[in-house]
Amino acid sequence: DQQVKQNSPSLSVQEGRISILNCDYTNSMFDYFLWYKKYPAEGPTFLISISSIKDKNEDGRFTVFLNKSAKHLSLHIVPSQPGDSAVYFCAASAQGAQKLVFGQGTRLTINP
Amino acid sequence: DSGVTQTPKHLITATGQRVTLRCSPRSGDLSVYWYQQSLDQGLQFLIQYYNGEERAKGNILERFSAQQFPDLHSELNLSSLELGDSALYFCASSLQGLANEKLFFGSGTQLSVL
Repeated sequence: DQQVKQNSPSLSVQEGRISILNCDYTNSMFDYFLWYKKYPAEGPTFLISISSIKDKNEDGRFTVFLNKSAKHLSLHIVPSQPGDSAVYFCAASAQGAQKLVFGQGTRLTINP
Repeated sequence: DSGVTQTPKHLITATGQRVTLRCSPRSGDLSVYWYQQSLDQGLQFLIQYYNGEERAKGNILERFSAQQFPDLHSELNLSSLELGDSALYFCASSLQGLANEKLFFGSGTQLSVL
């Protein structure tokens, strides 16, 4: 039962353009969402988060959008840089559930 | 550097064997999590400890067990290993183990069962 889904295993974007990574979830109890970034041979690192009371959160080049009615969130990276090439994981949690549920990840490649 | 230390980085063993993965959390963090990442799979939650006590359990097999010691380091024991147990095992820590806390991940232990 995959409660958090990232349907695109990979994405390739030109440097300087916008990267959009998508994530869908099925559990309506999820109220907090996060994106993690993972480089090879390293553990995931926190990137940005959003609470269900908001529909947008911005941090520099990174913006996360939440559409609760569609149970969908997206991460926008503008402008994309070569150092953004990594695997991006979407994660969600529900109050009191203690654990984060992760998606399968999307491998983003930024081409010069 | 996340501050979370996992050892060993790589482990190669045979089916039927038993291994122990070790994790030291970030200084000051009381909660430790274990996740498994298999090929093409996301991070699957296995188990969480808070200050020595088990707090939440996920998709952890009965052949697997874990514990958190008084000094807050944690060990994940995997026994009767099968080929399908080959995966990247991550440990993460957080301050209080609350749902909305950021997790800090170690760099993982790559387990290969041959």
